[in-house]
Amino acid sequence: EPEVTQTPSHQVTQMGQEVILRCVPISNHLYFYWYRQILGQKVEFLVSFYNNEISEKSEIFDDQFSVERPDGSNFTLKIRSTKLEDSAMYFCASSRDYSTDTQYFGPGTRLTVL
Amino acid sequence: TQLLEQSPQFLSIQEGENLTVYCNSSSVFSSLQWYRQEPGEGPVLLVTVVTGGEVKKLKRLTFQFGDARKDSSLHITAAQPGDTGLYLCQDEGGADGLTFGKGTHLIIQP
Repeated sequence: EPEVTQTPSHQVTQMGQEVILRCVPISNHLYFYWYRQILGQKVEFLVSFYNNEISEKSEIFDDQFSVERPDGSNFTLKIRSTKLEDSAMYFCASSRDYSTDTQYFGPGTRLTVL
Repeated sequence: TQLLEQSPQFLSIQEGENLTVYCNSSSVFSSLQWYRQEPGEGPVLLVTVVTGGEVKKLKRLTFQFGDARKDSSLHITAAQPGDTGLYLCQDEGGADGLTFGKGTHLIIQP
């Protein structure tokens, strides 16, 4: 069964460093998403992406964040200058359609900012 | 700003018992999804409900969507230890994007 994959599973970085989190969505899906979940808190929407551009983004997704689909398979989330409060699980998801279609989540990348 | 309230926040029951958890929204859902999440893993979709009054069954799980599409419940019959997890509801079309509730932490004790 196709699944969303994410790498790395755990990333440790120093405050102020740039990180790139990688996702490979399900191959025939057209919509891609990033969420984060700070330890003990709820899953928060960051951004959705379709047709090589951002569809929606939340207040969390500020200028420090960017997303890209550099090739036909990868979908990346870049944090330019990490802060301590960026430490969280980051989940990628994909869906075939946007409105009522199922979102499939990856296993997540745990980002730890020291 | 849409608020999704899930209750109870924590629930611990014995194997074999029945339980119901709830998800309520401050505004009408566009479409409601229920997920189960285990520690360190991503949410796994259980069901999507779209139509007011809709009832969907998934083995021992029964999902009900309120007529006004502002509330939903998940009922588990004869709970098993494998049902343990964080149960999340999500609105795909919330005003702030794709909104999750805080979830119900469910523990089923053998």
